[in-house]
Amino acid sequence: EADIYQTPRYLVIGTGKKITLECSQTMGHDKMYWYQQDPGMELHLIHYSYGVNSTEKGDLSSESTVSRIRTEHFPLTLESARPSHTSQYLCASSEALMGHTEAFFGQGTRLTVV
Amino acid sequence: QKEVEQNSGPLSVPEGAIASLNCTYSDRVSQSFFWYRQYSGKSPELIMSIYSNGDKEDGRFTAQLNKASQYVSLLIRDSQPSDSATYLCAGLGDSGGSNYKLTFGKGTLLTVNP
Repeated sequence: EADIYQTPRYLVIGTGKKITLECSQTMGHDKMYWYQQDPGMELHLIHYSYGVNSTEKGDLSSESTVSRIRTEHFPLTLESARPSHTSQYLCASSEALMGHTEAFFGQGTRLTVV
Repeated sequence: QKEVEQNSGPLSVPEGAIASLNCTYSDRVSQSFFWYRQYSGKSPELIMSIYSNGDKEDGRFTAQLNKASQYVSLLIRDSQPSDSATYLCAGLGDSGGSNYKLTFGKGTLLTVNP
């Protein structure tokens, strides 16, 4: 079983609020990812990290920001939430080396901005 | 061409039949390949990984990789209603330097009818 955790699982918040979605893993994985997924739709990569102090924007433009100060922690922040940010946010992690590079997902955070 | 493409589906098979899911990929995704299963409202769960040409079997699941034709497939034998889910194909591709990025297809919705 993968040891990757996301909090909160569900969040309903008002427009304009600042929020941080937490993602932590205890597997020592170097790579971490954030995906955004609307119901019934495909996964969109919004941020990824190859290691501490390394972050890159993904394929889908996002107003969110991320940081990677510790290997195990990869939080995502929205400075001013809007209804268009309503979605499910999924965090994943994997090894950085070739071979055994399976990525494991957290349970997700379902965000609703009202 | 998108980096990873899946047949659009949806796919419907009767219980006990073989379900065949297919995925093609571009030159930018050429390393490792993975199949994930995602139940509605849940996060993706890794079910198979394949790294070299040929077949890889795990219980009722068989993954097939053909690098010359750039496709990867998943066969589910003796399909059960509990197999009904969206199946995501993912590949690990070169995003520059020695870094590799995990890229997902759009997914194929499989329904197994009792």
